[in-house]
Amino acid sequence: KNEVEQSPQNLTAQEGEFITINCSYSVGISALHWLQQHPGGGIVSLFMLSSGKKKHGRLIATINIQEKHSSLHITASHPRDSAVYICAVNAGGSARQLTFGSGTQLTVLP
Amino acid sequence: EPEVTQTPSHQVTQMGQEVILRCVPISNHLYFYWYRQILGQKVEFLVSFYNNEISEKSEIFDDQFSVERPDGSNFTLKIRSTKLEDSAMYFCASGGLGGSTYTDTQYFGPGTRLTVL
Repeated sequence: KNEVEQSPQNLTAQEGEFITINCSYSVGISALHWLQQHPGGGIVSLFMLSSGKKKHGRLIATINIQEKHSSLHITASHPRDSAVYICAVNAGGSARQLTFGSGTQLTVLP
Repeated sequence: EPEVTQTPSHQVTQMGQEVILRCVPISNHLYFYWYRQILGQKVEFLVSFYNNEISEKSEIFDDQFSVERPDGSNFTLKIRSTKLEDSAMYFCASGGLGGSTYTDTQYFGPGTRLTVL
């Protein structure tokens, strides 16, 4: 069974700061997902990665398959980025189910 | 933009009662999922559904739970006899188009908060 660990659990930043959230997993995967959970509970998919790097606006996600590690970066953070960021993985093979990390609560102060 | 919808947004029930949570996935998606999140805990996979049958399920998804796609648009999760520990946020998700790989993006609904008293 895959274990997905995220760090830090909580992160407080000042507006404009560069933010990094880390995710590591224990067993080989077919893809890794970064998700954002808003205070009301809704979950939005940000990225799905199986290799390399993806960028969308101020968000960048990277993955190192050999090291079983991924990072989510937010450049020029803004208070509206405040949310829980969750890493989730697809197991290898044909499994579509996601295994989730505990999430990182990000608070960006103005 | 198409989105996954769920009803009701909040359901309160007495222990031992049956509940049905409803979801309308995105119309051209082929794979449907239920996840749950107990307050303060990780999101957990319950079940996935494809081609009118369960394709994967977790150990949580025991005989108390069932899923159905009754009419080609709705996707339902039934809990037959609710327990206190079933109190959680239940998320429906959909993804996967024809010919897709195993690693499609999953699109989540807003969730149904189930409270069992």
